[in-house]
Amino acid sequence: AQSVTQPDIHITVSEGASLELRCNYSYGATPYLFWYVQSPGQGLQLLLKYFSGDTLVQGIKGFEAEFKRSQSSFNLRKPSVHWSDAAEYFCAVGKLFGNEKLTFGTGTRLTIIP
Amino acid sequence: KAGVTQTPRYLIKTRGQQVTLSCSPISGHRSVSWYQQTPGQGLQFLFEYFSETQRNKGNFPGRFSGRQFSNSRSEMNVSTLELGDSALYLCASSATIGQGEETQYFGPGTRLLVL
Repeated sequence: AQSVTQPDIHITVSEGASLELRCNYSYGATPYLFWYVQSPGQGLQLLLKYFSGDTLVQGIKGFEAEFKRSQSSFNLRKPSVHWSDAAEYFCAVGKLFGNEKLTFGTGTRLTIIP
Repeated sequence: KAGVTQTPRYLIKTRGQQVTLSCSPISGHRSVSWYQQTPGQGLQFLFEYFSETQRNKGNFPGRFSGRQFSNSRSEMNVSTLELGDSALYLCASSATIGQGEETQYFGPGTRLLVL
């Protein structure tokens, strides 16, 4: 069965510092991977996705993620965080085809300090 | 293009009542999925509808049901509400035109409080 692990429940980062959010997955075939962000009381917004090709994926808001098959990881990075990046971040794996579905991690809450 | 819309945004119900939530997908999207999000359980998949047929179902009791109309709009219904049904219910749509290289786009959610 497919699964996603986000080992960090809560991360605190200073504004302007770099960020890396971890995501490890388990999936039987080549995974389709996603990162979403959720602001308080809001729905999920897609940051970026990986289907195939270049393992370094660029997303919106200056985020990027790198797919590492050997480590079953898809970590999200940003070189310099802004106060507006404070939110909850979800990694997901899966394929929307037939009877398949997405599986989400439990999320990482990001706090930004001045 | 307008995004996924969900109505109502907030609901307060009492135990034993039933509730119907509505979701309008992005224009042209034929697949609608529903998720329940709670602090304790995170994001849990409820079901997915495609072309008015339930294509996939999560591990929820039969009190949770849904349907999809010919215009791809979807509703989900929860009967005999329990306190534990208090959650943010998220709807997501996708185009479903290829072999799985699809992306789900989420609505703002309906916040349900059961008293």
